[in-house]
Amino acid sequence: DAKTTQPNSMESNEEEPVHLPCNHSTISGTDYIHWYRQLPSQGPEYVIHGLTSNVNNRMASLAIAEDRKSSTLILHRATLRDAAVYYCILRAPLGSGGYQKVTFGIGTKLQVIP
Amino acid sequence: NAGVTQTPKFRILKIGQSMTLQCTQDMNHNYMYWYRQDPGMGLKLIYYSVGAGITDKGEVPNGYNVSRSTTEDFPLRLELAAPSQTSVYFCASRAGTSGRDYNEQFFGPGTRLTVL
Repeated sequence: DAKTTQPNSMESNEEEPVHLPCNHSTISGTDYIHWYRQLPSQGPEYVIHGLTSNVNNRMASLAIAEDRKSSTLILHRATLRDAAVYYCILRAPLGSGGYQKVTFGIGTKLQVIP
Repeated sequence: NAGVTQTPKFRILKIGQSMTLQCTQDMNHNYMYWYRQDPGMGLKLIYYSVGAGITDKGEVPNGYNVSRSTTEDFPLRLELAAPSQTSVYFCASRAGTSGRDYNEQFFGPGTRLTVL
């Protein structure tokens, strides 16, 4: 199974941009890159996903390297509410047999400093 | 919509006791999942279901059982509780394939279980 590598923790000042990296050098050609985050004492919540092109939504942006071996989740303006554990996971395409069995790694714990 | 709800929020069990963790979703999702999260760790998939009457094992199924008699409910059963099952348990659901490339998972608030 393709694995992801993320830093254990990062810090950011409030209202500054945050770039959360993820390495996935063994990604297959059809794997999607997903990001979820887990606020303290809550279940994970979806943030964003992508395949090859950069993606933007109301929560964040996802920048994917041209060779797809790494990606970066970008929070444009960190707030205290963004303090959470951020998970980068790879998933086979929807409808494929491998879609279901995905494990969330340790993720990156983001601390936002007021 | 209430989304994904889990009961109880907290529970303490003695070794050898059994219990059922309840999970209900009101979004008419076909797919449902059970994960466990040990302290300071990520989530590991225990069991999942692709629809009523269909379940399959995940990464760490030993010591657990599931059933899916309705679309809404996906209970997780612990038969003989062991200290190694002390963890936070999350239930999740998602819609089925619908022409999109991805359907996000929605997670419940979790059940914190301690086995002493």
